[in-house]
Amino acid sequence: AQTVTQSQPEMSVQEAETVTLSCTYDTSESDYYLFWYKQPPSRQMILVIRQEAYKQQNATENRFSVNFQKAAKSFSLKISDSQLGDAAMYFCAYRNPIYNQGGKLIFGQGTELSVKP
Amino acid sequence: NAGVTQTPKFRVLKTGQSMTLLCAQDMNHEYMYWYRQDPGMGLRLIHYSVGEGTTAKGEVPDGYNVSRLKKQNFLLGLESAAPSQTSVYFCASRTSRGPRGQETQYFGPGTRLLVL
Repeated sequence: AQTVTQSQPEMSVQEAETVTLSCTYDTSESDYYLFWYKQPPSRQMILVIRQEAYKQQNATENRFSVNFQKAAKSFSLKISDSQLGDAAMYFCAYRNPIYNQGGKLIFGQGTELSVKP
Repeated sequence: NAGVTQTPKFRVLKTGQSMTLLCAQDMNHEYMYWYRQDPGMGLRLIHYSVGEGTTAKGEVPDGYNVSRLKKQNFLLGLESAAPSQTSVYFCASRTSRGPRGQETQYFGPGTRLLVL
């Protein structure tokens, strides 16, 4: 079964600095999708960034980028120029192939990110 | 375009009571999902639907039933609530069409349920 592991329950970063959140996953599939979601105190799940496994190029979205290491099954999120609004719980998620429970998302345990002014 | 909406936002139930959570999406998505989120954990799939009139079990289906009579709505029912069902419930939807990159699940704001 696929699993997603986030080994950092909490992380802290100074405003304007850079922080990296770690995620590893386990799968026997070769074609899949990986996501980072942000969950602020409002509980809304907000998509931060998405990576397709068939693409070798790392995804970027403004201040957010990933380091996707397919062979190592590693998918870390880098937040540059951290802002106070980045403080939230961050979840790494793996998307099953569509024939496996409708392409459900499998989530890690989350990393609580705090940003110090 | 409201995206994915959930009703109610918060509810308190007594053990043994029943209730229905409503999820609605206006994006014409085929796939819809119900997840639950417990403290210190990520979301886990309860049930899902790949189209109108079809539903299937996810990881943690016990104690829940679902129905998808209309494409835009996905209902989650608790027939006899238990304290173990205290959780935050999220609905999500996604399309099955479009270019390969259309793989994102869009989430509703969540429903917080407390079972006493």
